[in-house]
Amino acid sequence: NAGVMQNPRHLVRRRGQEARLRCSPMKGHSHVYWYRQLPEEGLKFMVYLQKENIIDESGMPKERFSAEFPKEGPSILRIQQVVRGDSAAYFCASSLGWDEQYFGPGTRLTVT
Amino acid sequence: TQLLEQSPQFLSIQEGENLTVYCNSSSVFSSLQWYRQEPGEGPVLLVTVVTGGEVKKLKRLTFQFGDARKDSSLHITAAQPGDTGLYLCAGPSKAAGNKLTFGGGTRVLVKP
Repeated sequence: NAGVMQNPRHLVRRRGQEARLRCSPMKGHSHVYWYRQLPEEGLKFMVYLQKENIIDESGMPKERFSAEFPKEGPSILRIQQVVRGDSAAYFCASSLGWDEQYFGPGTRLTVT
Repeated sequence: TQLLEQSPQFLSIQEGENLTVYCNSSSVFSSLQWYRQEPGEGPVLLVTVVTGGEVKKLKRLTFQFGDARKDSSLHITAAQPGDTGLYLCAGPSKAAGNKLTFGGGTRVLVKP
């Protein structure tokens, strides 16, 4: 009974490069959420997706960040032209419907 | 904007002692969830409280939801070193999509 899977677990990028973070939800879950946790801070909502649709991206920066959840395959959070301030832990959560969310282990992004 | 405030931010106690963590808001939440997060991992769901005044027990952990559904508490009896971690409360947004608002967390350290 696999839980939410995220990869890579750790990602190092130089300033200006692109970062791609992947999330496979729990089996049967069609709702995916992305959250960001800055050092010593709580988790902040970024985006909510269902298959092939972005439902709510109110927490995502308007520039350089994008997310998708295709019909087949994992959800992808993409950060273009990364800057040092993007260094954080990025968590994906999934749910069956509008109920409890289950989190993956996170991807720790370090921008050098 | 719905906000959740947790107190204290940090708690250090000896094994066998009791502790209480608080989660407060000026807004009403339809439910509140408690998570525990260990270093390098994602949040793990402990419990969801839904009804005002509800009390739920999980072994030595007791969770209470305020009558007005604006606050919650987590009480740990006879804490053990394995209880060490970051405790987070979270509530779903009133807006569509069920995105979670998180408190800032309480870091608990139980010393043997």
